[in-house]
Amino acid sequence: EAGVTQFPSHSVIEKGQTVTLRCDPISGHDNLYWYRRVMGKEIKFLLHFVKESKQDESGMPNNRFLAERTGGTYSTLKVQPAELEDSGVYFCASSQNYRETQYFGPGTRLLVL
Amino acid sequence: SQQGEEDPQALSIQEGENATMNCSYKTSINNLQWYRQNSGRGLVHLILIRSNEREKHSGRLRVTLDTSKKSSSLLITASRAADTASYFCATADSGTYKYIFGTGTRLKVLA
Repeated sequence: EAGVTQFPSHSVIEKGQTVTLRCDPISGHDNLYWYRRVMGKEIKFLLHFVKESKQDESGMPNNRFLAERTGGTYSTLKVQPAELEDSGVYFCASSQNYRETQYFGPGTRLLVL
Repeated sequence: SQQGEEDPQALSIQEGENATMNCSYKTSINNLQWYRQNSGRGLVHLILIRSNEREKHSGRLRVTLDTSKKSSSLLITASRAADTASYFCATADSGTYKYIFGTGTRLKVLA
């Protein structure tokens, strides 16, 4: 069974540009989560999808971040325009049931110059 | 202090020794999980312990949970160089699904 995959693995962009991160959850997992780790700090929750619906986006830092999960399969996280403080590692996770283990992808390392 | 706070922040041991990491949290939880992150790679799930469990084993890993003290420990026995990584505990609040991570313990196992 394939795990959670994320694309790209690395992204280097300039301040003001747009970047779109993609996450493919484990097949059959309705729950999809985004987290990020900025500047070596703790990993923080961004948002949670159940199928295509946003259940909780309380962790989204501001309106420059837009997450979508059309069709309830893969999800994208767009940062527009990117700022220097957005640099970090963005993790995606999925779970079958929200009470169960969340399985994480390898992360996307974003560097905004 | 942060929920899911680990200590020590960094630990350096010799191969073959045991490594113990601790995690404290603040609120009531459904479960607590430990993850490992090797340098430059993603988070790997190690073990889940539910709030009604006190101890759990998986291979060379032993996790304890003390809900009265709101703390957990991860013991890695007979450590190997390949165990070098950052270790994080993550808690899920009762009734929610958000994982709250600590800042992690950086473990270095010297060959």
